[in-house]
Amino acid sequence: DTEVTQTPKHLVMGMTNKKSLKCEQHMGHRAMYWYKQKAKKPPELMFVYSYEKLSINESVPSRFSPECPNSSLLNLHLHALQPEDSALYLCASSPGLAGRETQYFGPGTRLLVL
Amino acid sequence: SQQGEEDPQALSIQEGENATMNCSYKTSINNLQWYRQNSGRGLVHLILIRSNEREKHSGRLRVTLDTSKKSSSLLITASRAADTASYFCATVPYYGGATNKLIFGTGTLLAVQP
Repeated sequence: DTEVTQTPKHLVMGMTNKKSLKCEQHMGHRAMYWYKQKAKKPPELMFVYSYEKLSINESVPSRFSPECPNSSLLNLHLHALQPEDSALYLCASSPGLAGRETQYFGPGTRLLVL
Repeated sequence: SQQGEEDPQALSIQEGENATMNCSYKTSINNLQWYRQNSGRGLVHLILIRSNEREKHSGRLRVTLDTSKKSSSLLITASRAADTASYFCATVPYYGGATNKLIFGTGTLLAVQP
């Protein structure tokens, strides 16, 4: 299985809602990532987990809360988002953090905040 | 911003022609990678070139790297309509430690006309 899956594919939420994005991989990878991509822009790194521990937080606002319950699963909890947070949220995984490893991306969750 | 620049921003060619995209980056790197993204969905890894390599081939893809100029190019030969997508270069900066942080370029939108 060489796939990263993400659910849901689409999400519409109000600014007072709480929702979660889910990412799963069964490739035995020990590093997982969240990226945010605005329309017609490149992806921007948000968080990196290595061996289920948060390794990098790119100064992301606290309304985004990542969680890595186990080595196969990565969640992104969303609370009190703003309309400008509307974007494609991409999850990726790699074998490790050795700096020369391919990242495998999921199809993304397209989020609209009203 | 550490973000790299790509040119052209958009490229339209006929099937069978070659497509060349260029990428410039700002920092010392561990490696440089190229990714393809179809219609704002997940990214697909195409090729990775290490900082001590100058050229790499994979099928119809040829990548060059010039670390003295901090630039790379991606050549797609004999293009097909299915190659229509956005192409991003991404660098893994050299921090002297273990990190797989990807910094994406601005992207080139390639349209291959049948």
